[in-house]
Amino acid sequence: GESVGLHLPTLSVQEGDNSIINCAYSNSASDYFIWYKQESGKGPQFIIDIRSNMDKRQGQRVTVLLNKTVKHLSLQIAATQPGDSAVYFCAENTGGFKTIFGAGTRLFVKA
Amino acid sequence: NAGVTQTPKFQVLKTGQSMTLQCAQDMNHEYMSWYRQDPGMGLRLIHYSVGAGITDQGEVPNGYNVSRSTTEDFPLRLLSAAPSQTSVYFCASSLTASTTNEKLFFGSGTQLSVL
Repeated sequence: GESVGLHLPTLSVQEGDNSIINCAYSNSASDYFIWYKQESGKGPQFIIDIRSNMDKRQGQRVTVLLNKTVKHLSLQIAATQPGDSAVYFCAENTGGFKTIFGAGTRLFVKA
Repeated sequence: NAGVTQTPKFQVLKTGQSMTLQCAQDMNHEYMSWYRQDPGMGLRLIHYSVGAGITDQGEVPNGYNVSRSTTEDFPLRLLSAAPSQTSVYFCASSLTASTTNEKLFFGSGTQLSVL
């Protein structure tokens, strides 16, 4: 994922709306991508993953889309809830047992 | 089932001091790793291990040592702490050490300040 420096990108959405969080990854050879959620004071928690032979995968209220042509990954959260407020990280596996994280996006959910 | 346990949760060091951050997992995971997280940045990989007796460097290994004498434990050592090592440190593990990787399970982190 891209580093965006000291300030996290922020997304603010109304409760009940859908959220879309985007991520650009760097290595065209990456074959496994993961989204993690990090709440304040906690470690990152797995949300959903996708392998490079797929372009879409759905979970409970979440969907991940992968566009290998432009090296872009997105996380869609349906009917966003206050409990979804957190920092979201995309991560890519570049092979060689290394998972590399993007800088993260902070999601605020307004009640 | 405790998962990944890190100790201590908070630590303050003076420049030049040494210390060990502890990490233990009770899930019989092959793969373990250490990340650091700085404000406004993602997690950066310090060191990782694919099994007992096997360790390797990540993106930012300088100033840190690791060892993996058992499957369960993966301590991170700072031999001579520097202010640049002020960060939040996370230990993570996954079931296997497959090159296609698997999702990581994270501990709750250690917040380290070096004065």
